[in-house]
Amino acid sequence: GAVVSQHPSRVICKSGTSVKIECRSLDFQATTMFWYRQFPKQSLMLMATSNEGSKATYEQGVEKDKFLINHASLTLSTLTVTSAHPEDSSFYICSASSVGNTEAFFGQGTRLTVV
Amino acid sequence: GQSLEQPSEVTAVEGAIVQINCTYQTSGFYGLSWYQQHDGGAPTFLSYNALDGLEETGRFSSFLSRSDSYGYLLLQELQMKDSASYFCAVRDRLEFSGGYNKLIFGAGTRLAVHP
Repeated sequence: GAVVSQHPSRVICKSGTSVKIECRSLDFQATTMFWYRQFPKQSLMLMATSNEGSKATYEQGVEKDKFLINHASLTLSTLTVTSAHPEDSSFYICSASSVGNTEAFFGQGTRLTVV
Repeated sequence: GQSLEQPSEVTAVEGAIVQINCTYQTSGFYGLSWYQQHDGGAPTFLSYNALDGLEETGRFSSFLSRSDSYGYLLLQELQMKDSASYFCAVRDRLEFSGGYNKLIFGAGTRLAVHP
């Protein structure tokens, strides 16, 4: 299957700082990328959907000014958690899709800890 | 609203057969997918059903009945390495973009395989 690389895999940051997470599709052009958040032993909650070159669509309840998403190219999307707080600590996962695909390919996830 | 229901936990022994059920209620439906996730890892794709019937992939099979809004994942010849969480996910149509599907995940079923 296709490869999606997510970086970093783990990050610890201080409260009030910003953290950027990258999601790259390595061997295909990802026209659409999705960002999920997962708390321990819970489901994946979709945060936002982004298409290359356009603004992201955020799910209800997700603050777009806090979770900045940029999908500047067909192989890269970034999620920036701004002014992070301890309650933002979670597992963030991206997935990528392209036209005609029935399968979404997931990155390895990023474990964010805000102290 | 959107909802997917699946059992929270299932326990079985090595070599046994396990069926994980999923019922769904969503505004859009373009297929049911199943993903496996080990603790701390990313979801990996197992199977996809767009039409009614059974899809078989090695030890794993998946079934869909659209009229009943129901599907299941069947795992045969269980192995210890199959201990993981299993998520059903419905493919939903994006509001602004044609043909690019997003996934709505169930809460997940934790499968524990014992010797």
